[in-house]
Amino acid sequence: QKEVEQNSGPLSVPEGAIASLNCTYSDRGSQSFFWYRQYSGKSPELIMSIYSNGDKEDGRFTAQLNKASQYVSLLIRDSQPSDSATYLCAVRSPPGSARQLTFGSGTQLTVLP
Amino acid sequence: DTEVTQTPKHLVMGMTNKKSLKCEQHMGHRAMYWYKQKAKKPPELMFVYSYEKLSINESVPSRFSPECPNSSLLNLHLHALQPEDSALYLCASSQAQGDNSPLHFGNGTRLTVT
Repeated sequence: QKEVEQNSGPLSVPEGAIASLNCTYSDRGSQSFFWYRQYSGKSPELIMSIYSNGDKEDGRFTAQLNKASQYVSLLIRDSQPSDSATYLCAVRSPPGSARQLTFGSGTQLTVLP
Repeated sequence: DTEVTQTPKHLVMGMTNKKSLKCEQHMGHRAMYWYKQKAKKPPELMFVYSYEKLSINESVPSRFSPECPNSSLLNLHLHALQPEDSALYLCASSQAQGDNSPLHFGNGTRLTVT
């Protein structure tokens, strides 16, 4: 069973719409969760970190965490063509472990002009 | 601009060559990582250094040899690679291995083995 699962997509949304990216994780003790954006041929870029249940907003991005459901999501409001990229969900394994970062397989997002 | 610098950006090497990838960070981070990424796949952990000591080796073949000369530098020595080793090699750092801090990635080295 995969430890971090994402909808592989691809996901297409029109410009100006809200893009919703979802991720589930299997280790209930996990405490830190990240979203990375990766453009084709480039390296992953950290766009959001979230540690507590609820919402965290940064500009057009909102990360949502529900530890009871083991679910983390990323909303992108007013999507722009420049948001077209692969979005990677990453989860740190809990204290008492090697604290490795496990990535989901990524969701490819295309924002259509 | 990334605060983790990797060189070279691109590398083409034959199967008998020896080459090295270099990574440098000046954020005072004490954990450094090597990842390998194939096309359309997530990054795959290879090695972790914590306080300049090798902490994790994810059963990587010995033709890949990591080195951490000091807290700011991380090298990956390559020898007798195979064509299937062609990939994007990513260096990353974090404040510490054992905390909740995120990883910050360098721009990567695109390696082609011929």
